[in-house]
Parts: sequence; structure tokens; C-alpha cells
Amino acid sequence: EAQVTQNPRYLITVTGKKLTVTCSQNMNHEYMSWYRQDPGLGLRQIYYSMNVEVTDKGDVPEGYKVSRKEKRNFPLILESPSPNQTSLYFCASSFGGGANVLTFGAGSRLTVL
Amino acid sequence: DQQVKQNSPSLSVQEGRISILNCDYTNSMFDYFLWYKKYPAEGPTFLISISSIKDKNEDGRFTVFLNKSAKHLSLHIVPSQPGDSAVYFCAASVLGAGSYQLTFGKGTKLSVIP
Repeated sequence: EAQVTQNPRYLITVTGKKLTVTCSQNMNHEYMSWYRQDPGLGLRQIYYSMNVEVTDKGDVPEGYKVSRKEKRNFPLILESPSPNQTSLYFCASSFGGGANVLTFGAGSRLTVL
Repeated sequence: DQQVKQNSPSLSVQEGRISILNCDYTNSMFDYFLWYKKYPAEGPTFLISISSIKDKNEDGRFTVFLNKSAKHLSLHIVPSQPGDSAVYFCAASVLGAGSYQLTFGKGTKLSVIP
């Protein structure tokens, strides 16, 4: 089944404790992206990658890192999480370009205490 | 500055009636528009799209209308069903520039009442 898989789905952590949210897609998509969803703010892009070793900042990149060493994986790294990073995170992928429909993962709900 | 605006956070409609969800944009460079639907505890899923060379695109019960001069698009659902209850996101991109970026609105929560 074609899908985007995120892990963990739920996580509660404490301020400053590094964490990684993994994202993997099995559709050979070139483009991958991370979004966060917050009440009243909708979906905001954090980082995106157009291909292996090619990443760029989205609208809200502060406090996050990403890497794209393999085509299928695009992990989101929070080096020193803070409470304002408590959010619902979505990974998405597509073949590339705005006309290509994004396939989203099921989401990862992160709480930083 | 918010480039894609969904000014109605929520909408309630009776089953069988028409649901109309609206979206306005400010960036005149946008030339491709999409609607996504999101159920609780799931990721958004693609619903329907429209290119700026068209003013209407239809897929079953779902129709998207684009008014370029007004920088406005709308999603019509006819007839509305309880299973349509979800959050709907409008999104826009600049295809002509080879952009990979999608800009999303804040979403409208649709409730279809049986």
C-alpha cells in the first residue's frame, strides 16, 4: 500500500531532550515536506526537500533540523525542544511540484513539557 | 501576511443540502489550487484541484469554482453527507515558476447534520 509512515504517532517529552520524528514513504517520491498544524493557524510548512541531499526552509523552520540522506526517509529533528513546539506534525510527499498531489502521513502529536 | 485565507472557521449544513466553502488568495502568481480534507486523527487527503486556466472543475459531488479576477475559489458539495464532516483546507501554488511550495489556508470545519 502506498503510504507515508510517521513515528512516533504520540510523544510526550520534556524541554531540551532531543528527539527525532521519522518519516518514510514507499512511493519513490522526490519531494518531501514537514508541516505543523496548530489551532487557528492551519498547516504551516517547516522544511522541505526536493531530492536527496537537497533541503530548504519553509515558513517556520526555527528550532528544527532535517536531513535527506535517502530518497524514502526525511526525519525531523528537534535538537532542544521547547513548549512552543507542542503541535501536531505531518510529513508529506509527492513526485514533485505543486501540481503533484501531496500524500500525507497520519500525523505525530508532540507535547513538550 | 496570509496569502491564502479561509475566513470561515466553521460551517454547519443539513444533510442533503449544499455546502459551500470559500477561499480567498492575495498572491496573483498562484496558478494552481487544491482542496484537502482532513478527518480527526488522520492526515489530510487530496480532494480536488483546479488550474488557473479553468474556472470550474467537477468530480462527483464536489465542484471547485475559480474566480481569478476576484482571487476567490469555492468548493461546493452537493448533496452534503454526514461523512463529509471534516476540516477542509484550501491550498495554492505557483506552478509556472516550477515551485514545489503549497501554501495552505487555516481550514474550515464542516459539520453535516443528519
